[in-house]
Amino acid sequence: QVQLQESGPGLVKPSETLSLTCTVSGGSINSYYWSWIRQPPGKGLEWIGYIYYTGSTNYNPSLKSRVTISVDRSKIQFSLMLTSVTAADTAVYYCARHGHYYDSSVSYWNTEPFIDFWGQGTLVTVSS
Amino acid sequence: EFMLTQSPGTLSLSPGERATLSCRASQSVSSSYLGWYQQKSGQAPRLLIYGASSRATGIPDRFSGSGSGTDFTLTISRLEPEDFAVYYCQQYGTSTGLTFGGGTKVEIK
Repeated sequence: QVQLQESGPGLVKPSETLSLTCTVSGGSINSYYWSWIRQPPGKGLEWIGYIYYTGSTNYNPSLKSRVTISVDRSKIQFSLMLTSVTAADTAVYYCARHGHYYDSSVSYWNTEPFIDFWGQGTLVTVSS
Repeated sequence: EFMLTQSPGTLSLSPGERATLSCRASQSVSSSYLGWYQQKSGQAPRLLIYGASSRATGIPDRFSGSGSGTDFTLTISRLEPEDFAVYYCQQYGTSTGLTFGGGTKVEIK
């Protein structure tokens, strides 16, 4: 069973950089897309971006200027950096794996659209 | 800007009743890329439905999805106590990535 675990500071000062790492266990990092998703307290889900195991990325256009996601295949980890944080970036941050799902209508395995495994989430508070 | 709008915001029902949740897209989307998640308090979301109507592994058959174009529906045929939670629809686009709806809370009446 694949498990994902987020790690990093729980408190970040305004204008500084938020850095989180997700460690994957029980499975390979290869052949999958990996996402960061966040959820402000009491609010809905917001996708931040994803990375393919090869290193190619796709970011939420609203966050793109501040986000970098990287992967370290040797450590079976991927990481998030979010610069110039404000109180609006306070949220539970989840790392997640995109599952492989077969689309019978086009006889094709989709590897990007859906999340099948999530980390437990880590609360990051932005405050001085 | 692409958006998913879920309604109602809150659904108050009793166990055994039928729940019908709506997700409307701001423009037509491929059914292949529309999914539904369940999130219980303090937990990460769980995928229920992918491709608009396919149940994910281990999901009971009381959960079903339907729809096409801009209008999609998640139906829970008979609510069990463990089904009271928040439900999110989600769409994938090559340029927009993953977009989530605002959620529908299903609460005990």
